[in-house]
Amino acid sequence: ELKVEQNPLFLSMQEGKNYTIYCNYSTTSDRLYWYRQDPGKSLESLFVLLSNGAVKQEGRLMASLDTKARLSTLHITAAVHDLSATYFCAVVNAGNNRKLIWGLGTSLAVNP
Amino acid sequence: NAGVTQTPKFQVLKTGQSMTLQCAQDMNHEYMSWYRQDPGMGLRLIHYSVGAGITDQGEVPNGYNVSRSTTEDFPLRLLSAAPSQTSVYFCASRGLIGLSSYNEQFFGPGTRLTVL
Repeated sequence: ELKVEQNPLFLSMQEGKNYTIYCNYSTTSDRLYWYRQDPGKSLESLFVLLSNGAVKQEGRLMASLDTKARLSTLHITAAVHDLSATYFCAVVNAGNNRKLIWGLGTSLAVNP
Repeated sequence: NAGVTQTPKFQVLKTGQSMTLQCAQDMNHEYMSWYRQDPGMGLRLIHYSVGAGITDQGEVPNGYNVSRSTTEDFPLRLLSAAPSQTSVYFCASRGLIGLSSYNEQFFGPGTRLTVL
């Protein structure tokens, strides 16, 4: 059974600092997603990672995928308050009608 | 494109009442799904559909029904509301075939449901 673990679940960081959120998954998959959710809002797609070694960047966020280690990272560079949100990773379960299996999310607070 | 739309945005029900949450998408996506989101529990899949006429259960299907008569619409029915169904409900859709948008999953704005 495919399981997805994110850590940390809660992260408080100072503006200007760097940090990384980790997403581990338990079985082979061909696709991994990162989403952002602001309080009281819906989920917004950030990145879709398809292949081993894939790296995508948008502003201060960079996501990478290591399919051999079954690990994706979301790296935050020089955090700003606007990045405060909950970040989810999700992995496609290739064998089960391609359902998405979700991590519990990382609640990020960026403090001045 | 309107993307994924959901109605209503907010709803208060009494225990035992029934209602339907509406979901529609205009992207011709094969895959549609319903999630509920509760504090500390992430997103839990209720039901999903891989195409018109095909539905299947997710992790937490009890107390909910779905149907998929068209590609565009995927309503979620609460048969007899219970306080445990108080939650935020999200509908989502994505393509299954080809690499269009890398099969990105799009979410609706959500429905906040309270059952008293």
